[in-house]
Amino acid sequence: LAKTTQPISMDSYEGQEVNITCSHNNIATNDYITWYQQFPSQGPRFIIQGYKTKVTNEVASLFIPADRKSSTLSLPRVSLSDTAVYYCLVGDDVGSARQLTFGSGTQLTVLP
Amino acid sequence: EAQVTQNPRYLITVTGKKLTVTCSQNMNHEYMSWYRQDPGLGLRQIYYSMNVEVTDKGDVPEGYKVSRKEKRNFPLILESPSPNQTSLYFCASRDIRYEQYFGPGTRLTVT
Repeated sequence: LAKTTQPISMDSYEGQEVNITCSHNNIATNDYITWYQQFPSQGPRFIIQGYKTKVTNEVASLFIPADRKSSTLSLPRVSLSDTAVYYCLVGDDVGSARQLTFGSGTQLTVLP
Repeated sequence: EAQVTQNPRYLITVTGKKLTVTCSQNMNHEYMSWYRQDPGLGLRQIYYSMNVEVTDKGDVPEGYKVSRKEKRNFPLILESPSPNQTSLYFCASRDIRYEQYFGPGTRLTVT
């Protein structure tokens, strides 16, 4: 399983765009990149998943360069309610219930 | 509404007293898992199941048991709880895709 590296914490202000970068230098050809969000004392919640280039949904965008050794989660115009821990997961577990490893994540704090 | 439910949400017990934490999902998912979350250690998988009667150990299975007699239910059993099992526990389910649905969590304290 590819190891991921994320910043431990980030601060931002309401209304700003936040970009959280995840490094995964040994990503394998079949690996996907998945991001989860977790609020205190709640289970993680799926945000977005991608394989290459750019993926966008109603809450975030995921940018993946051609070499796929890193990825960037982009949260547009954050609000106080976006304060949470964000996890980057990399792996290929299609057909298996074996868990992709959750690392320490990035604590995002949105300030007023 | 698609959801994973866990009960109880909070539990305080004493060392050695057997307990069961229930988990149920209404999405007809084949895959279910149990995790524990501890400060500084992140989420660690305890056990997982790929279908009825099919279970396997995750990263930290010692002291835990599970069963999967029905597709929707995946209880976690602590036969003889110890203080080092004090933790926040999450049940999760998913289909063949990557998106996991997590339950609300069970905060267990073993004294």
